Amino acid sequence: DAGVTQSPTHLIKTRGQHVTLRCSPISGHKSVSWYQQVLGQGPQFIFQYYEKEERGRGNFPDRFSARQFPNYSSELNVNALLLGDSALYLCASSFKTSVSTDTQYFGPGTRLTVL
Amino acid sequence: GNSVTQMEGPVTLSEEAFLTINCTYTATGYPSLFWYVQYPGEGLQLLLKATKADDKGSNKGFEATYRKETTSFHLEKGSVQVSDSAVYFCALRPYSGAGSYQLTFGKGTKLSVIP
Repeated sequence: DAGVTQSPTHLIKTRGQHVTLRCSPISGHKSVSWYQQVLGQGPQFIFQYYEKEERGRGNFPDRFSARQFPNYSSELNVNALLLGDSALYLCASSFKTSVSTDTQYFGPGTRLTVL
Repeated sequence: GNSVTQMEGPVTLSEEAFLTINCTYTATGYPSLFWYVQYPGEGLQLLLKATKADDKGSNKGFEATYRKETTSFHLEKGSVQVSDSAVYFCALRPYSGAGSYQLTFGKGTKLSVIP
């Protein structure tokens, strides 16, 4: 079975631009989460979506937004890019949302570079 | 709030040496605990998990035991291989309440195994 897929693999943008990152969860998984991983650090939680509704949001500015589609795929949007937004953006899928024992499976990530 | 503290790296070991990576956590209740591994240029892969006190997670020769009394989840392997070279992340997910939908990660420990 296919794992979590993300596109694009790499992306280069300039300050002030907008970016859209895409994620397809594992088949049968209804929950998608987004994390930001700055070089040399652990991933930081941005959003979780379940059944097309936002279920959780991390400490990120309103420039970050996301949505989930009827097929459970998801998009992460970042407006007015800053240099500090340069990071690996990871998508994770899981079957449920609020069960702590439920495992989140990660995709390979999208490497965003802001110049 | 919830937090995870890992031993600082990098850790360099010779092939077949014994590995320990320390991880302690702060959380209320009984979180689930995870170890993820990240190989160069890739996303995160689940290595093992434990969901209640005294549980032992194991996979590919790695083990970690959920110690409630010491709030620890140390990763061990009896004989490391060059192919184990990667960054290892300890993470927790709260049992319930606010934040139960998200993983909180440590900063990661880079392991290099030399022949």
